[in-house]
Amino acid sequence: QVNLQESGPGLVKPSQPLSVTCSVTGYSITTSYYYWNWIRKFPGNKLEWMGYISYDGSIYYNPSLKSRISITRDTSKNQFFLQLNTVTTEDTAVYYCAEGLPGYPYVMDAWGQGASVTVSS
Amino acid sequence: DTVLTQSPALAVSPGERVTISCRASESVSTGMHWYQQKPGQQPKLLIYGASNLESGVPARFSGSGSGTDFTLTIDPVEADDTATYFCQQSWNDPTFGGGTKLELK
Repeated sequence: QVNLQESGPGLVKPSQPLSVTCSVTGYSITTSYYYWNWIRKFPGNKLEWMGYISYDGSIYYNPSLKSRISITRDTSKNQFFLQLNTVTTEDTAVYYCAEGLPGYPYVMDAWGQGASVTVSS
Repeated sequence: DTVLTQSPALAVSPGERVTISCRASESVSTGMHWYQQKPGQQPKLLIYGASNLESGVPARFSGSGSGTDFTLTIDPVEADDTATYFCQQSWNDPTFGGGTKLELK
């Protein structure tokens, strides 16, 4: 059974980059046909899908974030990472990592507990 | 973006049948999925592909629909079902509905 755990900074200053790590246990993030997603939930409940990195390293971003987002991975540590650049207060959210069902990248059947990130000076 | 519209809130009594609706601004075929989120917890997948029950989810939950109109049904509702329910489409770049908060009377 897969387990995902986010770790993040808690507080980020405006214009700085935001970085969150997702540590995966249970099986390898290179296991065929699995996709590893980032989703965030804003105050007020709105959910936004941010992007994924796949088992083979391919990446796809939400077009609305494409200029600011980067998703990478470290297969030796079984982790994947989110970086969001030039943040504003509107990026304050809970950041979740989630596993996509094999062959269904956007069907997220396991989620981490979430990392709360506040953007404030 | 494909916009998903949900009613904000519902209140039902335990033992009743409840339907939660989600309308898409354009057809998403059967690329619709449902999640349950309780306060302080992460979302939990209930239904995928409009009508497929996720493993381990009670059969009280069911989903239906295709195209633009979808429904999540809980029958019968139990006290533990108090939560916010989100729909999400994957036919286009993924988007989520605003959530329906289910309260028990």
